Amino acid sequence: KAGVTQTPRYLIKTRGQQVTLSCSPISGHRSVSWYQQTPGQGLQFLFEYFSETQRNKGNFPGRFSGRQFSNSRSEMNVSTLELGDSALYLCASNLLAGEVDTQYFGPGTRLTVL
Amino acid sequence: GNSVTQMEGPVTLSEEAFLTINCTYTATGYPSLFWYVQYPGEGLQLLLKATKADDKGSNKGFEATYRKETTSFHLEKGSVQVSDSAVYFCALSGTGANSKLTFGKGITLSVRP
Repeated sequence: KAGVTQTPRYLIKTRGQQVTLSCSPISGHRSVSWYQQTPGQGLQFLFEYFSETQRNKGNFPGRFSGRQFSNSRSEMNVSTLELGDSALYLCASNLLAGEVDTQYFGPGTRLTVL
Repeated sequence: GNSVTQMEGPVTLSEEAFLTINCTYTATGYPSLFWYVQYPGEGLQLLLKATKADDKGSNKGFEATYRKETTSFHLEKGSVQVSDSAVYFCALSGTGANSKLTFGKGITLSVRP
């Protein structure tokens, strides 16, 4: 099976712009989660989508949003970019195994805000 | 809320040395516990997991045991290789609707030939 794919792998934007990142989960997985990784804050949960519905949301401002399509592909959007949004954004595909979610990660999108 | 504490790093070892990376957690209920590894320029790879007390997860020579009495999930490997050099993250997740992962800060392991 193909793994989780994320596009693009690298992005450079300037402050005030907006950006959209894309994630395709492992085939058959219906749940997608997003995480932000920075040197200062580490790995932080952004949100989770299951069957096109947001199931969980982390503690991020409203500039961060996401959605999921009927084919389980997901996008996240960051509007009005700030320097502090520079990070590696990781998407995780969730395999629901009984009561345990095991999350498999993509390679990430490296966003640089100038 | 949930939290994960990992020992401070970085850790530098010689090849074939024994590895222990400490991880303790605070959580309500009965979380599942994970170790993820991140190689330079890549995303996270699931290394091993344990879903209930006294479970032992193992993979590629790495092991960790879910200790509820000490709220710990320490990672061990008997003989490290240069190829094990990476960043290691301990994480926990709740169940059902609270399945998000909470991560420790990660620790960098460097193995010298």
